Amino acid sequence: DTEVTQTPKHLVMGMTNKKSLKCEQHMGHRAMYWYKQKAKKPPELMFVYSYEKLSINESVPSRFSPECPNSSLLNLHLHALQPEDSALYLCASSQTGLVKGNTEAFFGQGTRLTVV
Amino acid sequence: SQQGEEDPQALSIQEGENATMNCSYKTSINNLQWYRQNSGRGLVHLILIRSNEREKHSGRLRVTLDTSKKSSSLLITASRAADTASYFCATAVRGNNRLAFGKGNQVVVIP
Repeated sequence: DTEVTQTPKHLVMGMTNKKSLKCEQHMGHRAMYWYKQKAKKPPELMFVYSYEKLSINESVPSRFSPECPNSSLLNLHLHALQPEDSALYLCASSQTGLVKGNTEAFFGQGTRLTVV
Repeated sequence: SQQGEEDPQALSIQEGENATMNCSYKTSINNLQWYRQNSGRGLVHLILIRSNEREKHSGRLRVTLDTSKKSSSLLITASRAADTASYFCATAVRGNNRLAFGKGNQVVVIP
């Protein structure tokens, strides 16, 4: 199984809603990532988890709250988002750290989020 | 911050032709990777080249890396309509666990 599975594929939420994005991999990868991608732009790193611990937070607003319940799961909890947060949210995983391991990242298909 | 930066390019080529795209970056890297993205969905890893390598091949893909110029190129030979996609280079920077993406190239292969 070389898949990273993201749910839901599409999400529309109001600015007062609370929702969660989910990401799952069963490749035994110990690093997991959240990226945000706006239309016609490259992905921008949000968070990195390494061995289930948050290792990088790219100064992301607190309305985005990541969680790594176990080595296979990664969640992104959303609360009080703004319309400008509408984007494609991509989850990725890698076997080890990208630098030390010289390894590639495997990406999910993303969740297309619209905030209304 | 973005490490990899392609020349902003949109390529439109005929099927069977070769497609070349470039990438430049600013700091020392551990490796440079190329990814493909179809229709704004997930990214697919294409090829990884380490900082001590100069050229790498994978099927119809050829990647070069010039660390003195901090640049890389991706060549797709004998293009197919299915190669229509956005292509991103990404760098893994020494000292941290980030994969930073460049701006991307939109390639359209006309059947």
